[in-house]
This record gives sequence, C-alpha cells and structure tokens, in this order.
Amino acid sequence: GAVVSQHPSWVICKSGTSVKIECRSLDFQATTMFWYRQFPKQSLMLMATSNEGSKATYEQGVEKDKFLINHASLTLSTLTVTSAHPEDSSFYICSARMTVLAKNIQYFGAGTRLSVL
Amino acid sequence: GENVEQHPSTLSVQEGDSAVIKCTYSDSASNYFPWYKQELGKRPQLIIDIRSNVGEKKDQRIAVTLNKTAKHFSLHITETQPEDSAVYFCAASKVTGGGNKLTFGTGTQLKVEL
Repeated sequence: GAVVSQHPSWVICKSGTSVKIECRSLDFQATTMFWYRQFPKQSLMLMATSNEGSKATYEQGVEKDKFLINHASLTLSTLTVTSAHPEDSSFYICSARMTVLAKNIQYFGAGTRLSVL
Repeated sequence: GENVEQHPSTLSVQEGDSAVIKCTYSDSASNYFPWYKQELGKRPQLIIDIRSNVGEKKDQRIAVTLNKTAKHFSLHITETQPEDSAVYFCAASKVTGGGNKLTFGTGTQLKVEL
C-alpha cells in the first residue's frame, strides 16, 4: 500500500506555544489530505480536509484559527496547533487520499501524540 | 450529514471462531464502505472495502457484506487468530462529491483469546 509519513510521533509542549505536525505522502501525490483527532478508545473525528493549493475545509466546531492547515505541495500538508492548551492534548492523525480503480482510498499516517503541559 | 453506527463496541471470541461486526449508515448516497484495523498505538490500516455496486466481497479470512436497502454492512472474520486482536472501524463515504470524507463508526475492540 501507499506510505504516509507523519512527524513528529510524539511532542510535549508548554501551554501557549504552537506545534507543527507534518504529513507527507511518500510515494504518491495527494491533492487531498485529511486531519483527524482521536481520543483514547474513541473513533477518529475529522477535523478538516486539506486541499492542495487552496484553503482547508473545516468541520463544524473546529476553530480554523486554532488549527492552521497548509497544503502547499502535492505531498505535504501541515497542521499547526496555535497557542496550545492542555485540552488540545490528543492523538492527531493525518491521511492522504489516493484514487485507485475509481475508489478514493485514504492511507493514514502513524499519528502524533500531543501533550500540552 | 452521514452518521455511522457500529456494534458491538467490544467483542471477545475464542481462537478459531468467527467474528462479526455490524455497521449502519444514514446517508443513502454513500457508496463506498472501507474497514480499517487499528492496533494499539498504530495507524489505521485498510483491510477491505466495498462499493455499493456489489453485495459481498471476500479476501481470504475476511469478508464484507452490504445491504443497500437496509443501509447496513458487516465485517466477517473467520478462523480468528490472536493477531486479529485490534480495534476495527467501519466507515462510509461518497466516491464522488461530499469531499470524499470518511465518516467513521465508533470502533469495535476485538479480542481473540487462546
């Protein structure tokens, strides 16, 4: 299958600082990537759809000024958690979409565990 | 928007038995239904998917069935093995339109006991 790299895998930061998470499609081009948040033992909640060369589409309830998304190339999307607070601590996972046989398959990164002190 | 419900939330089976996980969806326009397996601390991995133009698909010990009329689909794992233990998520999406967003079910923790 396709490979999606996510970095960093774990980050600890102080409250009020910003954290950038990178999501790269290593062996295919992805015009669309997705950012999810996952709480322990819960499902993946879509935060936003990242579109190459245009603004991200945010899900209802997700603050776009808090979670900045940039998709400047066909292989890279970044999520910046601005002015992070303890309640932002979570597991963030990205996925990249590949079209295979008319199916839009999402391949996931390994996730980033964010801990805000 | 789409709403996906998944049952059961936990499932424990003996090695060699079969496991069945069921999902229902609300949007009749959804036409792509993937299943993901997520081991503890790891990324979700696509294990099988089905499009709405077929009713069943099988890949070795894994099969998925789809009932469009009832808007439900199921994952069947036969001859379960300890390495099948993981959380399984169903999802629904439109192949075109709707941004191709996946709406996930709440997950099923499958435990295969020796």
